[in-house]
Amino acid sequence: QQQVKQSPQSLIVQKGGISIINCAYENTAFDYFPWYQQFPGKGPALLIAIRPDVSEKKEGRFTISFNKSAKQFSLHIMDSQPGDSATYFCAASRFWGFGNVLHCGSGTQVIVLP
Amino acid sequence: SQTIHQWPATLVQPVGSPLSLECTVEGTSNPNLYWYRQAAGRGLQLLFYSVGIGQISSEVPQNLSASRPQDWQFILSSKKLLLSDSGFYLCAWGGLHQETQYFGPGTRLLVL
Repeated sequence: QQQVKQSPQSLIVQKGGISIINCAYENTAFDYFPWYQQFPGKGPALLIAIRPDVSEKKEGRFTISFNKSAKQFSLHIMDSQPGDSATYFCAASRFWGFGNVLHCGSGTQVIVLP
Repeated sequence: SQTIHQWPATLVQPVGSPLSLECTVEGTSNPNLYWYRQAAGRGLQLLFYSVGIGQISSEVPQNLSASRPQDWQFILSSKKLLLSDSGFYLCAWGGLHQETQYFGPGTRLLVL
């Protein structure tokens, strides 16, 4: 059973546009929600993360919006650039003292057209 | 600074052959270590995690096993590979008592 559901599977956006990726989770015990960016053939790189006590977090052109009551969170990429073309994964985890286990979405392939 | 290494980068193996993938971490002590598998077009599936030497937890029952002989070393093994073992294997580390996980460059495994 997939604990984090991610959509869309892929999206195409023009340069300068906004890319929006959505994720939903079921387990209310999750307390950490990171987003990763992955280029072909490379390992995922942490992009931005949020905790449930915050409704929004922004880092440069990347913003996470978090809706605790709806158990949903999303990534917004503002002013999308061709270099942003990559696969993006959302994840959720529950910290258990020694570490955590990431439950990952299925990924969204973003293509930014020049 | 901390760095994570994986090798080999690419591996092509026949069905039924053994497997050994290695992951090492530098610049940190007592890391939590993780093995994930990524099938083509799919998300990450956690396979194993370790909070210390000799301590391995399995998330998915299968023909794979993991070992942690050193604090900085995590090994993924199989005695007999299956076609379904093909995929992109990622090692990750996280600081003790910390939530963020950092991924290595990955190993592309193709079982023929």
